Amino acid sequence: DVKVTQSSRYLVKRTGEKVFLECVQDMDHENMFWYRQDPGLGLRLIYFSYDVKMKEKGDIPEGYSVSREKKERFSLILESASTNQTSMYLCASSFPTSGRSYIQYFGAGTRLSVL
Amino acid sequence: DAKTTQPPSMDCAEGRAANLPCNHSTISGNEYVYWYRQIHSQGPQYIIHGLKNNETNEMASLIITEDRKSSTLILPHATLRDTAVYYCHVRTTDSWGKFQFGAGTQVVVTP
Repeated sequence: DVKVTQSSRYLVKRTGEKVFLECVQDMDHENMFWYRQDPGLGLRLIYFSYDVKMKEKGDIPEGYSVSREKKERFSLILESASTNQTSMYLCASSFPTSGRSYIQYFGAGTRLSVL
Repeated sequence: DAKTTQPPSMDCAEGRAANLPCNHSTISGNEYVYWYRQIHSQGPQYIIHGLKNNETNEMASLIITEDRKSSTLILPHATLRDTAVYYCHVRTTDSWGKFQFGAGTQVVVTP
């Protein structure tokens, strides 16, 4: 089975702290994604990466950056955490399947609280 | 990617079929329809996908209308463990196209 592992299930940080969220996948997937999920808003894409050292902005990249130095690892960085970044963060990965379709596999999520 | 519209919630009796609709009227010819679900406190889980033909797997069936403007996910015999938020999603085959999930449908299966 594909496994996407997020380093923490729960995090509590203070305003202004630099926060690192780590994600590792074990299936040699090219594509990796970071989403945030807020009540009533569904999933919103922050950043995605389609190769090592490559990244693309999603719909809400402001206040975030990412790093992908190795294929299996994709990090989300909050340079200076703010209270409006309190959310559930979800990492996902994917690779092309047969029939030119893509399935995303998600981690369990990190619930971040910024105080 | 095309936008999707789903009802915010629906209830289903245990053992009965659950039919979850999704409207994607702006879908284009190369966009697939995907369904995922998210059980409370877990990450979303892939269920099924299709382009224009109906599809079935061990979890569910997917019915796509002939004009492809809407689809229905069918859980044939709902169980309490099927209580979750179900997301309908359409996207192109471009591997770095933007992904966007809507608010989904909260399905509650009752005994």
